[in-house]
Amino acid sequence: EVQLLESGGGLVQPGGSLRLSCVASGFTFSSYAMTWVRQAPGKGLEWVSSISGNGDTTYYADSVKGRFTISRDSSKNTVFLQMNSLRVEDTAVYYCARDYRSVPAAPQYNWFDPWGQGTLVTVSS
Amino acid sequence: DIQMTQSPSSLSAYVGDRVTITCRASQSITTYLNWYQQKPGKAPKLLIYAASSLQSGVPSRFSGSGSGTDFTLTISSLQPEDFATYYCQQSYSPVGFGGGTKVEIK
Repeated sequence: EVQLLESGGGLVQPGGSLRLSCVASGFTFSSYAMTWVRQAPGKGLEWVSSISGNGDTTYYADSVKGRFTISRDSSKNTVFLQMNSLRVEDTAVYYCARDYRSVPAAPQYNWFDPWGQGTLVTVSS
Repeated sequence: DIQMTQSPSSLSAYVGDRVTITCRASQSITTYLNWYQQKPGKAPKLLIYAASSLQSGVPSRFSGSGSGTDFTLTISSLQPEDFATYYCQQSYSPVGFGGGTKVEIK
């Protein structure tokens, strides 16, 4: 069974940093891209960042570019999201998801399945 | 960026009703369109990929159609477990989600 388990969320002050982790199991980790999607309280879904299967290529939403860094460790089947210079508007549940894409670059068939249970990040003073 | 507009933003329906949700893209995305279901407090779940392909394990009452800019998700006979919020997602470039459609019990 494919499983994704996020951790690392919590309360942080504006300007602070946090590192999220997502441990994957049940599939060949290096064969898949991985993605982070967030959901602010009571709001919709927002794509945050993705990383290719070999870790060579990363993608970021404009809203987090220059502040967040995605990485992966295939020896630990884990994908990370390092979040720096956090803002109040970064408050959200952060989900990791296995990322299927038909070809390496857009436009492409690209969907997320399955998703982890999410970890809550609260940025507040 | 491509804007995805879902309609309606919410709807009320009876068990057994046929329900249709629409997603419109601000430019053509051919069939690079997926649908997800999210229940309160839970992670989203993939229902439909590539506009019309049913994800394994998803009941056949769910179907998707469309291409270009206009897409629909149809639930042929609404069941109690289908009350949830539904999101469309395009992958033309860059990835983006619609605002969601909340399906409630009437």
